[in-house]
Amino acid sequence: ILNVEQSPQSLHVQEGDSTNFTCSFPSSNFYALHWYRWETAKSPEALFVMTLNGDEKKKGRISATLNTKEGYSYLYIKGSQPEDSATYLCAPWDSWGKFQFGAGTQVVVTP
Amino acid sequence: DSGVTQTPKHLITATGQRVTLRCSPRSGDLSVYWYQQSLDQGLQFLIQYYNGEERAKGNILERFSAQQFPDLHSELNLSSLELGDSALYFCASSVDVGTQYFGPGTRLTVL
Repeated sequence: ILNVEQSPQSLHVQEGDSTNFTCSFPSSNFYALHWYRWETAKSPEALFVMTLNGDEKKKGRISATLNTKEGYSYLYIKGSQPEDSATYLCAPWDSWGKFQFGAGTQVVVTP
Repeated sequence: DSGVTQTPKHLITATGQRVTLRCSPRSGDLSVYWYQQSLDQGLQFLIQYYNGEERAKGNILERFSAQQFPDLHSELNLSSLELGDSALYFCASSVDVGTQYFGPGTRLTVL
C-alpha cells in the first residue's frame, strides 16, 4: 500500500475565492498521479493524469502541478464556484503497478 | 456517462444472504476494479482484475470474492452478509495502468 496523504481533509471557500490543497505520495518508483473529482451522489470522474516532474495541467478554473522529486501535487481552484463543491481525490501509481487513492479533500463553496 | 455499467442499481437483502454485483467495463478496457464506499467513508479499494486474472487485492474480506469473465465483465460476490456490508459498491475500468472510469455504483442495503 502506498502512503498517500491529502490535506486538508476539508475546506470551506467563499464563492469567487481561490484555494489549493495538497496530495503527498512516495517519491520513489513514481509512475503517474491521477486527480479525480467526486461530487455528492455521483461517481468519481477523472480530472488529470500527471507523469513528469514539473507537469502542469489545467481544466477550466482547475489546475494542478506535480513535483515527483519531493512527492507532492497541488490542485488549485481559481475563482471557486458552487459547482466546484466536491471531494477531490488523488491516486498515485508506482512503477510496480501499485496505486492508492487518498482519502480526499472535501471542498465546499458557499455563495 | 462513463461507459461503465453496473447492475443492479439498488439491492436490499437480509443478513446471512449472498448477492452478486455485476459490472461491464468500457469497450476496450481490460482492467476492472471494485471499490466499497461505506457511510461517511472514502473509497476503499477491494480488488483489481486484468484480462481475467487477479492483479491486485485491497481490503477485501474473505466473505467477498470476484472474477472477470472472458468477455471482460466482472462480478463481485458478497456472502454471509452483515449489516456493516451495507455500502455503495463502485466498479471502475481502465485500459491498463491509467485513468479509471467509474460506473454509477450499486447501493447495497443489508437489513
